[in-house]
Amino acid sequence: GAVVSQHPSRVICKSGTSVKIECRSLDFQATTMFWYRQFPKQSLMLMATSNEGSKATYEQGVEKDKFLINHASLTLSTLTVTSAHPEDSSFYICSAREGSTNTEAFFGQGTRLTVV
Amino acid sequence: AQSVTQPDIHITVSEGASLELRCNYSYGATPYLFWYVQSPGQGLQLLLKYFSGDTLVQGIKGFEAEFKRSQSSFNLRKPSVHWSDAAEYFCAVGAMGGGNKLTFGTGTQLKVEL
Repeated sequence: GAVVSQHPSRVICKSGTSVKIECRSLDFQATTMFWYRQFPKQSLMLMATSNEGSKATYEQGVEKDKFLINHASLTLSTLTVTSAHPEDSSFYICSAREGSTNTEAFFGQGTRLTVV
Repeated sequence: AQSVTQPDIHITVSEGASLELRCNYSYGATPYLFWYVQSPGQGLQLLLKYFSGDTLVQGIKGFEAEFKRSQSSFNLRKPSVHWSDAAEYFCAVGAMGGGNKLTFGTGTQLKVEL
């Protein structure tokens, strides 16, 4: 299958700072990328859907000003957690698909964010 | 709205024993169903998927799942579990071809006893 790479895999930041997570499709052009958040021992919750060149669509309850998503190219989407707080600590996972909604989305390996 | 229920939070099986993980879904149209596996601190790996056609789907690592529309179920099975199968398993439902956003179940943690 296609490869989606997330970076960094782990990050620790101080409260009040911002942290950027990258999601790259390595061998295909990702027209759409999805960002999920996973709390400990819980399922994945979709945060937002981003399409290349347009604004992301956020799920209900997700603060778009806090979780900034940029999908500037067909191979890269970024999630920036702004003014991070300890409650933002979580596992963030992206997925990416090429083409239409009938194509499979592939997942990155995730990023463990710890805010201290 | 679509939803997925995985009734079993934890399951423990002996190595070599058979396995069945349950998944029930709620979706207004024809569902597109997936099973993913997640090792600790890792992303998701697709085990198998059902879009249409044969209701018994074969996946990687010897897993299979059967789509039963009448029961709104998509249970995952493996005839003989290996210790390396210990992980978290997620069932998911999506619209269209699965390239759309997915709704995940809460997951089942599988422990394998040697």
